Amino acid sequence: DAGVIQSPRHEVTEMGQEVTLRCKPISGHNSLFWYRQTMMRGLELLIYFNNNVPIDDSGMPEDRFSAKMPNASFSTLKIQPSEPRDSAVYFCASTRWTGGAGANVLTFGAGSRLTVL
Amino acid sequence: DAKTTQPNSMESNEEEPVHLPCNHSTISGTDYIHWYRQLPSQGPEYVIHGLTSNVNNRMASLAIAEDRKSSTLILHRATLRDAAVYYCILIRGGANSKLTFGKGITLSVRP
Repeated sequence: DAGVIQSPRHEVTEMGQEVTLRCKPISGHNSLFWYRQTMMRGLELLIYFNNNVPIDDSGMPEDRFSAKMPNASFSTLKIQPSEPRDSAVYFCASTRWTGGAGANVLTFGAGSRLTVL
Repeated sequence: DAKTTQPNSMESNEEEPVHLPCNHSTISGTDYIHWYRQLPSQGPEYVIHGLTSNVNNRMASLAIAEDRKSSTLILHRATLRDAAVYYCILIRGGANSKLTFGKGITLSVRP
């Protein structure tokens, strides 16, 4: 299993540009999470999906951020327009949620490091 | 999810056992205790989880207090590669609850 795959690993862009981060969850996983990590705020949950449906997007900072999951094997996080304060490492994670008594174990990707100049 | 409290940092010597504490006095009956760790420049990785009984796996052991208000992650022989931030998190069983990370505890391992 290749794990959770994120791209790009590094992105440097200028303020005002559109940024798209991509995530391929583990095959068979039906829940997907987007996190952001900065020194100041630590790891923050932005949004998560169950069966491709957004369940909780209360962590999305503002309207400049949007996330989609068009199918079970692909998700995007888009920032438009980007600002320097969006500079962070963005992690995608997935799990197989069955709704049963067990709690979820998340598998994280390696992250996408975004720098907005 | 209920909150957890961890020390900011700990130091250990290589090849010695390490006990990482976590307090969770407001834990509810269906909350699972999870531990994740984050090595430098990597994403978080799952370590272990438990509900009431102590748990062992190839990475670590989890000791849960009888009243479940605290737990301890035990690394039996620390290696330099175990230097990381360790997060103790409570997750409600059954619900697809959010994994909410606190600041974690930074473990340093001395050679």
